[in-house]
Amino acid sequence: SQQGEEDPQALSIQEGENATMNCSYKTSINNLQWYRQNSGRGLVHLILIRSNEREKHSGRLRVTLDTSKKSSSLLITASRAADTASYFCATDAQEDDKIIFGKGTRLHILP
Amino acid sequence: SAVISQKPSRDICQRGTSLTIQCQVDSQVTMMFWYRQQPGQSLTLIATANQGSEATYESGFVIDKFPISRPNLTFSTLTVSNMSPEDSSIYLCSVEAGGRTEQYFGPGTRLTVT
Repeated sequence: SQQGEEDPQALSIQEGENATMNCSYKTSINNLQWYRQNSGRGLVHLILIRSNEREKHSGRLRVTLDTSKKSSSLLITASRAADTASYFCATDAQEDDKIIFGKGTRLHILP
Repeated sequence: SAVISQKPSRDICQRGTSLTIQCQVDSQVTMMFWYRQQPGQSLTLIATANQGSEATYESGFVIDKFPISRPNLTFSTLTVSNMSPEDSSIYLCSVEAGGRTEQYFGPGTRLTVT
């Protein structure tokens, strides 16, 4: 069954603003990952956060994980036009060790 | 990291025909994964391909429709058989980094069935 559910489905913000995307999931996980996909191309791995971590940073990216609420957020600070893409969370479920992708958030950065 | 290439990058095919998609990795990997991404949707895992054994298919996907080959540790093919317009999707292959830390994806094959 689908694990990750991102919201919002679509987000448009001005260049320079921060973008926040959320992911909720249903079962216990080993880790949660965020990926970016540009215009129907392959996915690019952005960041991984393990179940025993609460926050992680990578450049302009900040990811949080709340295992009690089964949710994660991805924050992109000081957005740029090149950040326009779809963003997917992917969960590595403990119960079956499978990686399941969410439905994604389409982010559009306005000039 | 791993660099993955796919062929073809896109194709337009007629209903009832078959298309074989190739996936080449620049390093030896144990498992390769095939995903389908229908228009505007997320990725759905079709099957996991291990070298030297039969592919493991996910619920809703069968070998007769999506036969997979894995002749060596750097190459795999996925065939979409007896295609219908519902098979129009992007098909992606991927491999895992060690320790299930991340997946590396190919650029995808955009298939349109008319």
